[in-house]
Amino acid sequence: GAGVSQSPRYKVAKRGQDVALRCDPISGHVSLFWYQQALGQGPEFLTYFQNEAQLDKSGLPSDRFFAERPEGSVSTLKIQRTQQEDSAVYLCASSLSRFGTDEQYFGPGTRLTVT
Amino acid sequence: GESVGLHLPTLSVQEGDNSIINCAYSNSASDYFIWYKQESGKGPQFIIDIRSNMDKRQGQRVTVLLNKTVKHLSLQIAATQPGDSAVYFCAENLNALNFGKGTSLLVTP
Repeated sequence: GAGVSQSPRYKVAKRGQDVALRCDPISGHVSLFWYQQALGQGPEFLTYFQNEAQLDKSGLPSDRFFAERPEGSVSTLKIQRTQQEDSAVYLCASSLSRFGTDEQYFGPGTRLTVT
Repeated sequence: GESVGLHLPTLSVQEGDNSIINCAYSNSASDYFIWYKQESGKGPQFIIDIRSNMDKRQGQRVTVLLNKTVKHLSLQIAATQPGDSAVYFCAENLNALNFGKGTSLLVTP
């Protein structure tokens, strides 16, 4: 069956450009998470959606980061005025339950390189 | 802040041997832990989980042990295979996942 998909898989942006990263969760999954994974590190939580509601955005590193999930399905993570420190793999995960206490299924990630 | 961490960054084992990957956590309120496997270019993949009301849980070739007294958990992989080579993360599930840095497991023939 279809898992979590993300696009693009790779993105190269010049410093100062805006980027948009897309996540297609597993159909019917209520919870959606974004994580940032720097090279050689574990994923770090960015933000969490329950359906279309963004319930936790405490992990977003700055106001240049913005996420949305307007119809409770597809989600987009937008980074404005990209900086070199934004270079990382951005992972999306979804889970069936409302509270995210069950298994989270991860997508393959989008590798963002800011030059 | 409180965190989940791993004792060893790399582990090299021979094919057929058993592997043990350790993890320490500091948040005594954590009650749900998960081990993930991440291969190069892929997202983390669920291996096994354990809740704090258990000390041990077994899956296919994998066992997770939880010692709440010393806030330690371990992942044991039996008869390690080349396909087990990957980075392994423990994570505490506090709604969002709090990952450790990971242990790179290398299986040599």
